[in-house]
Amino acid sequence: DAKTTQPNSMESNEEEPVHLPCNHSTISGTDYIHWYRQLPSQGPEYVIHGLTSNVNNRMASLAIAEDRKSSTLILHRATLRDAAVYYCILNGRNTGTASKLTFGTGTRLQVTL
Amino acid sequence: KAGVTQTPRYLIKTRGQQVTLSCSPISGHRSVSWYQQTPGQGLQFLFEYFSETQRNKGNFPGRFSGRQFSNSRSEMNVSTLELGDSALYLCASSLEIGFRQFFGPGTRLTVL
Repeated sequence: DAKTTQPNSMESNEEEPVHLPCNHSTISGTDYIHWYRQLPSQGPEYVIHGLTSNVNNRMASLAIAEDRKSSTLILHRATLRDAAVYYCILNGRNTGTASKLTFGTGTRLQVTL
Repeated sequence: KAGVTQTPRYLIKTRGQQVTLSCSPISGHRSVSWYQQTPGQGLQFLFEYFSETQRNKGNFPGRFSGRQFSNSRSEMNVSTLELGDSALYLCASSLEIGFRQFFGPGTRLTVL
């Protein structure tokens, strides 16, 4: 499985934008970039995913580098409820293979008032 | 739609016993995956089922097994429990293989 590298932790002030980086230099052409987050005492929840183009949804934006070797999850205005561990995961969605998600250690985001 | 449900939420067993955990996917979802989460190893993939067939398996011993029923509900079984099996077991469902996964709240298993 292609590997991702994320900072162990980040801090943000509430109402400020947060940029969570992820490096995936060994990404293959069919790998989608997925982001999940896990709030305390809950199962992971999907945040966003993309292949080549930048993506936006109601939760966040995903900026993908032109060479696809890195990406950035952008939370436009962090709130206390966004405090969680954020996982960047590569998944070959359209290959007909399994849904197996390989979670790394993720980035623990702390949000302060 | 109701989310992914897992039962029981908490379980305490002793070494050597066996345990069965249950997962009900979101209605219409046909793929169910299982994960183990521990403080030391993080989140690790156990296996995935689709149309009652195991499609992929993680690197776990044969004591860990699972199955999926015709209504897509899934169970996982751990035999001859060891202390190291204490973990949060998470189930996730998706419409099809490789699609966005929706996770349940997990079953917290403690082995004494």
